[in-house]
Amino acid sequence: DVKVTQSSRYLVKRTGEKVFLECVQDMDHENMFWYRQDPGLGLRLIYFSYDVKMKEKGDIPEGYSVSREKKERFSLILESASTNQTSMYLCASNGRGQETQYFGPGTRLLVL
Amino acid sequence: KQEVTQIPAALSVPEGENLVLNCSFTDSAIYNLQWFRQDPGKGLTSLLLIQSSQREQTSGRLNASLDKSSGRSTLYIAASQPGDSATYLCAVEADSWGKFQFGAGTQVVVTP
Repeated sequence: DVKVTQSSRYLVKRTGEKVFLECVQDMDHENMFWYRQDPGLGLRLIYFSYDVKMKEKGDIPEGYSVSREKKERFSLILESASTNQTSMYLCASNGRGQETQYFGPGTRLLVL
Repeated sequence: KQEVTQIPAALSVPEGENLVLNCSFTDSAIYNLQWFRQDPGKGLTSLLLIQSSQREQTSGRLNASLDKSSGRSTLYIAASQPGDSATYLCAVEADSWGKFQFGAGTQVVVTP
């Protein structure tokens, strides 16, 4: 079974803090994605990566950065957290040429 | 830019009734369409994937149809059960690189 894990289920941070969200997949997938999910807005793509050290901006990259130093790990970084970044963050992965996307359980982030 | 809409936003049916969930998209040039299920506070689970050349896909009590020319997909769930209560999301992929545009979802409650 494909497994995508995320480092935390719940996080509470203060405005201005640097926040790291980690995602690990165990299926040797090339493609990895970070989404945020907000009520009424669905999932919106923040960043994605097609290979180690590669990254591409999604639809809403402002205020975020990413790191992919190893194939199995994709990190989302909030350089200076703000209250409007309070959201559910979902990581996903899929293999090149494999359409089905596999999701992690999500991290619910609250920024105070 | 592709826009994906799901109507209604919420639906409540008695157990045993058939469920019909709608998804529409603005750009018919899609690579595939995928239906997901999301339980409260959890990640997404893939239900069905329809390639752009296909008209429908079936898995057990689930059937999804795709009409690219009209920009519509419908997910049918036969003989609904309380365990079908969840949010159902539709997502379209424009190319083979795994980037999806998601609808906001339809929240389904099946009452015993």
